[in-house]
Amino acid sequence: GAGVSQSPRYKVAKRGQDVALRCDPISGHVSLFWYQQALGQGPEFLTYFQNEAQLDKSGLPSDRFFAERPEGSVSTLKIQRTQQEDSAVYLCASSPSLGLAGHREQYFGPGTRLTVT
Amino acid sequence: TQLLEQSPQFLSIQEGENLTVYCNSSSVFSSLQWYRQEPGEGPVLLVTVVTGGEVKKLKRLTFQFGDARKDSSLHITAAQPGDTGLYLCAGPNNNNDMRFGAGTRLTVKP
Repeated sequence: GAGVSQSPRYKVAKRGQDVALRCDPISGHVSLFWYQQALGQGPEFLTYFQNEAQLDKSGLPSDRFFAERPEGSVSTLKIQRTQQEDSAVYLCASSPSLGLAGHREQYFGPGTRLTVT
Repeated sequence: TQLLEQSPQFLSIQEGENLTVYCNSSSVFSSLQWYRQEPGEGPVLLVTVVTGGEVKKLKRLTFQFGDARKDSSLHITAAQPGDTGLYLCAGPNNNNDMRFGAGTRLTVKP
């Protein structure tokens, strides 16, 4: 079956450009997460959606980061006025459950590698 | 913020050797998860441990959750090149997100 897909897989942006990263979760999964993974580090939580509702955006590093999931399926992470420190892999994960985070099985996409020059 | 420290950071071994990697915290976790991540891919869940002292086996991989639920270990028996990857542990930070360690990067040489 189809897993979580992300596009583009690679994105090079000049500093100051806006970028949009897309996530297609597994069909029917109600929960969707975005993570940022810097080189040599583990993923760091950015934001969480339950269907179309953004329930937690506490991990977004600045107001230049914005995420949406308007119809409760596809999600877009937008970064405005990109900076070099935004260079990282952006991972999307979806889950069929609404339960506690620790018991929730998350299915990750392959990520989008963003390089800001 | 509950931090997870993983050790060692890097591990390079020969095929057939055994190894153990660790995930430690000063905080108590209701559960911990272990993931493996290969280059260019997202993490894949290997196991979730929930009960203090719990031991779970997945083929040649043995996962243990500490009695106090502050630490966990992953033991691999007779490592194979296919085991190469980044091993991440993660625990719930709140109801919404998982907190990941920095990972152990394992290389198994043929």
